[in-house]
Amino acid sequence: GAGVSQSPSNKVTEKGKDVELRCDPISGHTALYWYRQSLGQGLEFLIYFQGNSAPDKSGLPSDRFSAERTGGSVSTLTIQRTQQEDSAVYLCASSPFPRVSREQYFGPGTRLTVT
Amino acid sequence: EDQVTQSPEALRLQEGESSSLNCSYTVSGLRGLFWYRQDPGKGPEFLFTLYSAGEEKEKERLKATLTKKESFLHITAPKPEDSATYLCAVSSNDYKLSFGAGTTVTVRA
Repeated sequence: GAGVSQSPSNKVTEKGKDVELRCDPISGHTALYWYRQSLGQGLEFLIYFQGNSAPDKSGLPSDRFSAERTGGSVSTLTIQRTQQEDSAVYLCASSPFPRVSREQYFGPGTRLTVT
Repeated sequence: EDQVTQSPEALRLQEGESSSLNCSYTVSGLRGLFWYRQDPGKGPEFLFTLYSAGEEKEKERLKATLTKKESFLHITAPKPEDSATYLCAVSSNDYKLSFGAGTTVTVRA
């Protein structure tokens, strides 16, 4: 079946502009995660959605970052007033299980470059 | 704060040359230790979850082991298709993973 999809695959933007990154999770998966992967560093947790519960936003690095999940499915990560340090690969993952002890299924990521 | 350190950063192997990757961790109450494989331009792919010291899991040429302070990923008789970056992660709660920077393995034919 279809896996997690993300769009766009690549995004180049100028410093100060806003960007929106989209994640389409696997149908029926209630848990959705956003991570950021910078060059030479591990994946950094950003935000977690589980069903209709309030999301855990504790990993968002600044108030320029926000995310929403509509209808328990598609999620959008928005970065306002982008900075060069925001350049990274943004990965989305979904899971049919609420607990991380079971596997997460990752999308291919969106590579964001801020010039 | 959970911390994960992986070594070495890079590993070059000849086909058939077995080796091990290390993942050292500090965590306040381990809920699980995870191994993922990541190919270039793709998202990580789940391999294993280990929950307690002494536990071992195997998948094809890969075997993961866990102690109270570290985990090893053993690659036995690797093939070129085992070339990838291997990521280790830990969780101290039900949903948040803390990842290491990964070990990039290159297997030459």
